[in-house]
Amino acid sequence: KNEVEQSPQNLTAQEGEFITINCSYSVGISALHWLQQHPGGGIVSLFMLSSGKKKHGRLIATINIQEKHSSLHITASHPRDSAVYICAVSRNTDKLIFGTGTRLQVFP
Amino acid sequence: KAGVTQTPRYLIKTRGQQVTLSCSPISGHRSVSWYQQTPGQGLQFLFEYFSETQRNKGNFPGRFSGRQFSNSRSEMNVSTLELGDSALYLCASSTDRDRGSSTFGSGTRLTVV
Repeated sequence: KNEVEQSPQNLTAQEGEFITINCSYSVGISALHWLQQHPGGGIVSLFMLSSGKKKHGRLIATINIQEKHSSLHITASHPRDSAVYICAVSRNTDKLIFGTGTRLQVFP
Repeated sequence: KAGVTQTPRYLIKTRGQQVTLSCSPISGHRSVSWYQQTPGQGLQFLFEYFSETQRNKGNFPGRFSGRQFSNSRSEMNVSTLELGDSALYLCASSTDRDRGSSTFGSGTRLTVV
């Protein structure tokens, strides 16, 4: 069993829809990261959080430490949000343990 | 400020050859980590360097090695290339104070034929 599990693996949405991607982990962590990877490979770090909730524009990330679960929400989704979203956890080092990613496609 | 720069962007090598990839971190970032991404295994941690010392290592064979220079630039080397080494190699840099908050480069796509 992977230490970091994401769901769903694939997600399609119509422009404007509210999107939720889930991440569960089984190890103790110091922080959880949400990353975005566009075709071509470059990765952008969206959030790093260790408790509570963070918001950046249309993106919201939450984490529940007791339940070892995090969610990434996208409000008013747009085709440019189409990407692979990756959850990763770190344990007091720069070694990240990654989930398998969620491929999101938003259609106009 | 300039981001994390990886060179080259694309590389084709034949089995048995060796390859060196380069990563220039963000100015002021002293920690550099390397990751391998393949369709089958996803993203996996290779190693981390800080102040020219390897601080952390993933589960990869000894053919994978790296080093860091005094200006924090890092290189990774893969010797005796195998077809399965074909992957996107990503590096990420961070400050030591804010470990885990990494900035990624665009990656080097290595194809072994």
